[in-house]
Amino acid sequence: ETGVTQTPRHLVMGMTNKKSLKCEQHLGHNAMYWYKQSAKKPLELMFVYNFKEQTENNSVPSRFSPECPNSSHLFLHLHTLQPEDSALYLCASSQDYRDSSPLHFGNGTRLTVT
Amino acid sequence: GDSVTQMEGPVTLSEEAFLTINCTYTATGYPSLFWYVQYPGEGLQLLLKATKADDKGSNKGFEATYRKETTSFHLEKGSVQVSDSAVYFCALSGRDNYGQNFVFGPGTRLSVLP
Repeated sequence: ETGVTQTPRHLVMGMTNKKSLKCEQHLGHNAMYWYKQSAKKPLELMFVYNFKEQTENNSVPSRFSPECPNSSHLFLHLHTLQPEDSALYLCASSQDYRDSSPLHFGNGTRLTVT
Repeated sequence: GDSVTQMEGPVTLSEEAFLTINCTYTATGYPSLFWYVQYPGEGLQLLLKATKADDKGSNKGFEATYRKETTSFHLEKGSVQVSDSAVYFCALSGRDNYGQNFVFGPGTRLSVLP
């Protein structure tokens, strides 16, 4: 298995639920990212980890909580979400956040908050 | 801050037509430039890149040239196929206080009709 793998592919959750999104990369990269893709809006960077250290948190609400236990795995923990949080959540990785190496994306998790 | 502007479309072409999707950028310094493609139900895939002025990126019949004087990176293909139907994102990778800073355009939806 190669590339960036995200699970689950689809998730429906109520506003009071707690769930987690998982991302795993098999590319030997050191940086991992969470992006949010909503209809008719530009791609939004949420979090960046470089060598397991969080380097950016772009004013993301606390109901989204990232976790990066090692350079290959990234989680996004979700709790008390709002309907406007429904979107495609994309994980990406790159060789190093400090250079201009390309991002490699997973296929995303389609999240629906009811 | 850095920004990317691209035609939002949708763009509808007949098979074998010539494709141009315009992309212009504003950035401090010398960013790397990228085109990504997103097929239905999938994440973004790197299509091509260019890292310095006058570089030409190419892949799968698509080409784009890094034009510093016009701050442009237009995507072209001589003869499109139905399988090219997707959303195309222009992006740049510059530098901010934390490291590299990926900025994406809004995406251009391309539909190719048989």
